[in-house]
Amino acid sequence: GESVGLHLPTLSVQEGDNSIINCAYSNSASDYFIWYKQESGKGPQFIIDIRSNMDKRQGQRVTVLLNKTVKHLSLQIAATQPGDSAVYFCAEGINNAGNMLTFGGGTRLMVKP
Amino acid sequence: DAMVIQNPRYQVTQFGKPVTLSCSQTLNHNVMYWYQQKSSQAPKLLFHYYDKDFNNEADTPDNFQSRRPNTSFCFLDIRSPGLGDAAMYLCATSRDWLAGGVEQFFGPGTRLTVL
Repeated sequence: GESVGLHLPTLSVQEGDNSIINCAYSNSASDYFIWYKQESGKGPQFIIDIRSNMDKRQGQRVTVLLNKTVKHLSLQIAATQPGDSAVYFCAEGINNAGNMLTFGGGTRLMVKP
Repeated sequence: DAMVIQNPRYQVTQFGKPVTLSCSQTLNHNVMYWYQQKSSQAPKLLFHYYDKDFNNEADTPDNFQSRRPNTSFCFLDIRSPGLGDAAMYLCATSRDWLAGGVEQFFGPGTRLTVL
């Protein structure tokens, strides 16, 4: 569901380390899940998506894992770089006419040089 | 490059003074969305257009209206902005899921300040 807090969880990692950002989703009927990256003052940017019939998907330096049993989604970023610093949102969606997305609460990733 | 464009990027208005935010897209997507995003929060969907069909979220205040004169353009009208309406407003587009689209493409947003 939507975050209602005023403070985002923050993950601080050293440059070059791997990052893991977690997300708990709410709807067991969701057909797909998307990770978005949002830099300060910009709109969310698509990173990777995964369909509900998959449990893992890899992209360039990123891997998304889906555990439907516990309704958990994670984003792994390999060799984290300063440019990865941003707020990351997971979103879940159902295949329907409007492609509606429900955003989860975000996580702020801070990369230390 | 195909993209979602929002104008203006920054908008300042006075309490109660109507304001219109605009969004245009060159992606030729049939679905367009307006979100409100407050500081440190996730985007909150206000409404969306599926082609010309307008779909309002149940908790979107009547103060917020929208127009979509054609496929490329969509407007967000705030009839009487209050201090609580200060936020980033994000426009997004997507293809119909039947056409294989799930991703929503976001514009850069318009940051609204209400004085």
